[in-house]
This record gives sequence, structure tokens and C-alpha cells, in this order.
Amino acid sequence: QVHLVESGGGVVQPGKSLRLSCAASGFTFSNYAFHWVRQAPGKGLEWVALISSDGSNKYYIDSVKGRFTISRDNSKSTLSLQMNSLRTGDTAVYFCARAPQRMGAQYFDSWGQGTLVTVS
Amino acid sequence: DIVMTQSPDSLAVSLGDRATINCKSSQSLLYTSYNKNYLAWYQQKPGQPPKLLIYWASTRESGVPDRFSGSGSGTNFTLTITSLQAEDVAFYYCQQYYTNPYIFGQGTKLEIK
Repeated sequence: QVHLVESGGGVVQPGKSLRLSCAASGFTFSNYAFHWVRQAPGKGLEWVALISSDGSNKYYIDSVKGRFTISRDNSKSTLSLQMNSLRTGDTAVYFCARAPQRMGAQYFDSWGQGTLVTVS
Repeated sequence: DIVMTQSPDSLAVSLGDRATINCKSSQSLLYTSYNKNYLAWYQQKPGQPPKLLIYWASTRESGVPDRFSGSGSGTNFTLTITSLQAEDVAFYYCQQYYTNPYIFGQGTKLEIK
């Protein structure tokens, strides 16, 4: 059974840093691309970042480029998001999400429960 | 960036009736090499993460009831829920995965009339 568990959220002041983690189990982690998707309170879904299955390709939404870094450790089945220079606009629930990657498919077939980041 | 526009923003449908949600993209999502439309639909209930319903515009995810169906190609897509059930009350989002950034529609709130 696929299981994704995020951790690391909390309350942080503007300009500070936070590191989110996503622990995966129940499948072969290294076969999948992974994403971070966020949802501000009462708002819709916003894609944040993508990392390919081997970690060689990374993409970000413009608003986080240069501030956020996505990474993965396939030996530990973990995904991370290092968030620096946080802004109040980064306040959201952050979800990690799995993508099958076949034929370039970046839809999200499994999601974690999310972790809340509050920048205030 | 591709812009994804859903309509309507909210929808109230009677139990047992059909619900239709539309999604329009600012450019074609049809990848001709694979003849696939790079469009997915998700359902999100309060306090829960989104759940994948449909991918490749019309392929139902395993375990999703067959009252959910997706259609469309190119720039115009539809999610149809036949015979609405009480548990279908949720927000629904379309998402393009043709290219990054992987934009979602703004969401449609589905309620019971």
C-alpha cells in the first residue's frame, strides 16, 4: 500500500528557512518522479516543484526559483523541500505527490496528507 | 504558461442527477507523438488531500466509481458525474501535465441541491 507522510511544517518568520520531508513506503520509490504541491488556506492547488526519478531533473514554479530546493534520497525513500527566504505568500499546506512519469506523465496518483507551513 | 480555466466555479445538483464540469486550456494538451491528452481530474474533500479520478483526459483511475467519466481533447475537457451521490460533494480540479509549470484549474465546488 502506497504511503506518503510529510513532516517539517510549522510557524516561521518571514525570511527564515524550513525543510520539509516526505517519507515514502509501499512501493519502489526510485521508479517515480515526485512533486510538491501547495494549497494556501481556502485556495486552490498550486504546483511547486518536480524532481525526476533519478534526481537529475528539477523544475520549479517561478515564484520559488532560487529560494526552494527539491531533493530526494532514493536509498532512504525520502523526498525533501528546502525552503529559504520564506515569504508570507508561502503560507500553505504542502503536499508531496507521486507521478508515474511514463510517457512524461506528471499527474499525481498518490498524495500525502500534507504539512502546514505558516510564515508569520 | 498554460492557463487552465474551469467552469462553473460552483455547481449545485440534485441527488441522482448529472453534474458536468468543464475545463479549458489556453493551448492544446494533445501530445501527438503518443496521441494522448495530458489532462487529469482530481477530487478534494475538506481536510483531505486531492484524489486522482481521471488521467489522459478519459482514463479512470483504479477504484474510481464508473459514474465518473472524462472526455474531450485538445483544449476543451469535461468531467461528468452521472447519478450524483452525497459522497461526491467536493471540490474538483483539472490539471495539465503537458508541460511545466503543471497548472491546475481554479477548482469547482460541487454541492447538493
